Amino acid sequence: QSVLTQPPSMSAAPGQNVTISCSGSSSNVGNNYVSWYQYLPGTAPKLLIYDTSKRPSGIPDRFTGSTSGTSATLGITGLQTGDEADYYCGTWDNSLSAGVFGGGTKLTVL
Amino acid sequence: QVQLVQSGAEVKKPGASVKVSCKASGYTFSSSDVNWVRQATGQGLEWMGWMNPNTGDTGYAQKFQGRVTMTRNTSISLAYMELSSLRSEDTAVYFCARGPRGQSYLDSWGQGTLVTVSS
Repeated sequence: QSVLTQPPSMSAAPGQNVTISCSGSSSNVGNNYVSWYQYLPGTAPKLLIYDTSKRPSGIPDRFTGSTSGTSATLGITGLQTGDEADYYCGTWDNSLSAGVFGGGTKLTVL
Repeated sequence: QVQLVQSGAEVKKPGASVKVSCKASGYTFSSSDVNWVRQATGQGLEWMGWMNPNTGDTGYAQKFQGRVTMTRNTSISLAYMELSSLRSEDTAVYFCARGPRGQSYLDSWGQGTLVTVSS
């Protein structure tokens, strides 16, 4: 069981917008920055969002991040077929003194 | 540009150990932490631990305490992750990833190393 909870799967049509949730607690999401990763099996995960809402160079502004309390959200606007991937949230857990990830959300772009 | 290149796939028997290497380039190796993350087939990403290449300090997830050792050779910008007492559940793709010091995110990842544990 992952410390952070994400929906296992989501689907949407090209051009639509989606939000992926990441639920944690006060020992992790509630008091630490959250990062988001895009992962295609067989490749290296890619950092999409860091420090909850910042984008690394080269990541389009279609990807946004936010938090509210102990939940974080990744937003993707104007879905493209190339966005079909697994998405993971991650952060530090103060109680565990360890990095933690969500269980991942498989996004299907129909 | 920042690159992390990992060693090749390994097949090990239960009870054996495996040592995966991660060659860093494109940045000052000692200035960022190296983390290790794994993904078993059909499972999510799992954080294993971190190492400060400058000091050799490490921190391991409780699940791997006593079985994992993270080391480095700073002269050749290599990080290593050794996992012992392997069991079938350790079959996974293992990634090294760079973590800016004091931060919780991982901004560059290796290509992954498949470790298969099978008798």
